[in-house]
Amino acid sequence: GAGVSQSPSNKVTEKGKDVELRCDPISGHTALYWYRQRLGQGLEFLIYFQGNSAPDKSGLPSDRFSAERTGESVSTLTIQRTQQEDSAVYLCASSHPLAGGREQYFGPGTRLTVT
Amino acid sequence: AQTVTQSQPEMSVQEAETVTLSCTYDTSESDYYLFWYKQPPSRQMILVIRQEAYKQQNATENRFSVNFQKAAKSFSLKISDSQLGDAAMYFCAYSKTSYDKVIFGPGTSLSVIP
Repeated sequence: GAGVSQSPSNKVTEKGKDVELRCDPISGHTALYWYRQRLGQGLEFLIYFQGNSAPDKSGLPSDRFSAERTGESVSTLTIQRTQQEDSAVYLCASSHPLAGGREQYFGPGTRLTVT
Repeated sequence: AQTVTQSQPEMSVQEAETVTLSCTYDTSESDYYLFWYKQPPSRQMILVIRQEAYKQQNATENRFSVNFQKAAKSFSLKISDSQLGDAAMYFCAYSKTSYDKVIFGPGTSLSVIP
């Protein structure tokens, strides 16, 4: 079946603008994660959705960052008033909490460049 | 809180040789999952191998195997007969068995020398 998809694949925006990044998880995967990966760095956890539970937002770096998820499907990550330090690849992953030992399936990422 | 540590930011190996990447973690749980993920230059993260803590036998996947030392909270990855395509960032990760987020280590960059 289809894997995790993310759009856009690349986004260039001016400092101060708002951006929306989209993630389509694998159908049936109730868990969805957003990560930020700066150039040459590791994965920085941002937010985690699990079914209908309240999301774990503990990784969001500031109130300029927010994310929503519609049921167990699409998620959008919104960054308001973008800053140059927001430039990074934003990765989305989904998993089924019971099957496959909770393996995460990653999307290809969105490369965000703030000029 | 659970943490995952990878003490080797960079490693290199000759083609066809064997290399071991280190990972340690901290948890008070008795049952959990451990993973190694690979991220090549294409940036697509893929699962290399997975270990369930209650299983004493070390997981193996072709040329990839782990040395899981539960008491020492150590989970190293051994790559045998290294190939040029193994060059990538390797991330060690941990998750509880309950509904909780997965925690990643900082990664090890592996270079393969022809």
